[in-house]
Amino acid sequence: EPEVTQTPSHQVTQMGQEVILRCVPISNHLYFYWYRQILGQKVEFLVSFYNNEISEKSEIFDDQFSVERPDGSNFTLKIRSTKLEDSAMYFCASSWQSNQPQHFGDGTRLSIL
Amino acid sequence: KQEVTQIPAALSVPEGENLVLNCSFTDSAIYNLQWFRQDPGKGLTSLLLIQSSQREQTSGRLNASLDKSSGRSTLYIAASQPGDSATYLCAVTNAGKSTFGDGTTLTVKP
Repeated sequence: EPEVTQTPSHQVTQMGQEVILRCVPISNHLYFYWYRQILGQKVEFLVSFYNNEISEKSEIFDDQFSVERPDGSNFTLKIRSTKLEDSAMYFCASSWQSNQPQHFGDGTRLSIL
Repeated sequence: KQEVTQIPAALSVPEGENLVLNCSFTDSAIYNLQWFRQDPGKGLTSLLLIQSSQREQTSGRLNASLDKSSGRSTLYIAASQPGDSATYLCAVTNAGKSTFGDGTTLTVKP
């Protein structure tokens, strides 16, 4: 069964550095999402992306964050000037249509030191 | 602002028992509601999605219901098995954004 893949599985970065989290959504899906889950807390919506532009974003998704679909397969989340509180599990998801189930990757654990 | 609550936070049952997990949400103007399973250190696995116009969905031993007017959904698991042990999350989508509950951690004892 097709699946969403995320790399790396674990990223350790110094505070203030930039990180890029990578995702390969399911190939025929049109909608892409990023979520984060801080340890012990709820899964939080960050952003949705369709037709090469952001559809919706949460208040968490400020100027520090950006998303890009640089080619036909990858979907990336860039975090500039990372802070300690950016440490979390980041999940990518995709769906065929906005009203269809979202399929999640296994996540990237981001640790900011 | 949408808020999603799941009760109970944790549940432990003997194998074979039927059980119900609850999810409530404050804004009934939802697009859909999705139930997920999360295993430790893993991503979320979609179990069932109910559109706002639907009342229930079934998949195998799982049945999810939706009462949009009262802001409630239930996930019914029949004949529970140890392999069902996981955290179950519900998420509601409206205005293109998904809001998750804290989850119910289920333990099924052999």
